[in-house]
Amino acid sequence: GQQVMQIPQYQHVQEGEDFTTYCNSSTTLSNIQWYKQRPGGHPVFLIQLVKSGEVKKQKRLTFQFGEAKKNSSLHITATQTTDVGTYFCAGRGGATNKLIFGTGTLLAVQP
Amino acid sequence: GAVVSQHPSWVICKSGTSVKIECRSLDFQATTMFWYRQFPKQSLMLMATSNEGSKATYEQGVEKDKFLINHASLTLSTLTVTSAHPEDSSFYICSARGRMNSPLHFGNGTRLTVT
Repeated sequence: GQQVMQIPQYQHVQEGEDFTTYCNSSTTLSNIQWYKQRPGGHPVFLIQLVKSGEVKKQKRLTFQFGEAKKNSSLHITATQTTDVGTYFCAGRGGATNKLIFGTGTLLAVQP
Repeated sequence: GAVVSQHPSWVICKSGTSVKIECRSLDFQATTMFWYRQFPKQSLMLMATSNEGSKATYEQGVEKDKFLINHASLTLSTLTVTSAHPEDSSFYICSARGRMNSPLHFGNGTRLTVT
């Protein structure tokens, strides 16, 4: 079945450093969504990408959808302690067209 | 907007009892609701898709007789964990969406502990 993997599983950075998480799907995606889950909280929608090669920015966050629509990335510039949490990509595609969540990347930011 | 309320936030129950979890979309009509299970430090595992007025669609490996889902209206879906056992202890999260391909809005989750 469709699988969505993220790397790294865990990243520890100093405040002010940049951070990137990569999302890779085993199948071509019709769209990809990104969510953030704070420790003890629930996932919160960040953004959706639909077009091949699409790049979107939200302040210090840059989201990219690959040309082949099988991978995506989230880059955070100059991390802050408020960025702490687990970032999930979620891709829709494959035979079922279901939204499948990636394995997640836990970001820890040391002040 | 797009608020999803999930209740209770946490529950402790004895083995063999049943627990009902409610998921409500407060300010939009949710044609589809989803129930997820999340183990510590892991991703969200889709358990079932709930469509208003019809039977839920369960993912492979999820027992429909154990995890009863009812979606009686466009704003309410319930998940009942029947005859709970300690291995059912987990974080259960619902989500709702309006239109197809629109983002998911998650409830706060329910932490179930079965003793």
